[in-house]
Amino acid sequence: GDSVTQMEGPVTLSEEAFLTINCTYTATGYPSLFWYVQYPGEGLQLLLKATKADDKGSNKGFEATYRKETTSFHLEKGSVQVSDSAVYFCALSPRFSGGYNKLIFGAGTRLAVHP
Amino acid sequence: DAGITQSPRHKVTETGTPVTLRCHQTENHRYMYWYRQDPGHGLRLIHYSYGVKDTDKGEVSDGYSVSRSKTEDFLLTLESATSSQTSVYFCAISESSGGADTQYFGPGTRLTVL
Repeated sequence: GDSVTQMEGPVTLSEEAFLTINCTYTATGYPSLFWYVQYPGEGLQLLLKATKADDKGSNKGFEATYRKETTSFHLEKGSVQVSDSAVYFCALSPRFSGGYNKLIFGAGTRLAVHP
Repeated sequence: DAGITQSPRHKVTETGTPVTLRCHQTENHRYMYWYRQDPGHGLRLIHYSYGVKDTDKGEVSDGYSVSRSKTEDFLLTLESATSSQTSVYFCAISESSGGADTQYFGPGTRLTVL
């Protein structure tokens, strides 16, 4: 079945460091891909998404490119801030899922950024 | 702000007691979802609704039931809570069933079953 695998955390970085969080997926057809972020004590917020191969999603300095050939959707940011400390979830939604908006999540990666 | 509220935000209960969690939306979206979040598992779908009185099971539905009598409200009930149901529960909504659509999440309810 469809699944998402993302790198285990925690990821600990100093402020202004480069961030990569790896995400790979297994799915039939052409799913949509998402990154959600969860700040402490809050619900999940959509960070970015891509709905077809080679699309690049971007928001708040974060980027991810939908790579069909490597079945990947890695999250990157050039210079992280303390305020980026959160848990990041990669997710996929199959193009056809039988009547509802099905989301399959990875396990989440905790990011801690220190001054 | 997607206009989703959950109540209560925190609850501690004892094994064997019934518990009902409420999700309320102001967006008039057709689709609503209940997830649980556990370490190492991400979020897993419990039940979803595709309209008033229309609901179906998700990945981890055993021990849970849901009801939707109004578009804006989606209730999750644990008929007899167990310690394995200690978790953080999130409600979500989406406008459509399309794979490219975005789900919007509520703030969560932390449930502890002693």
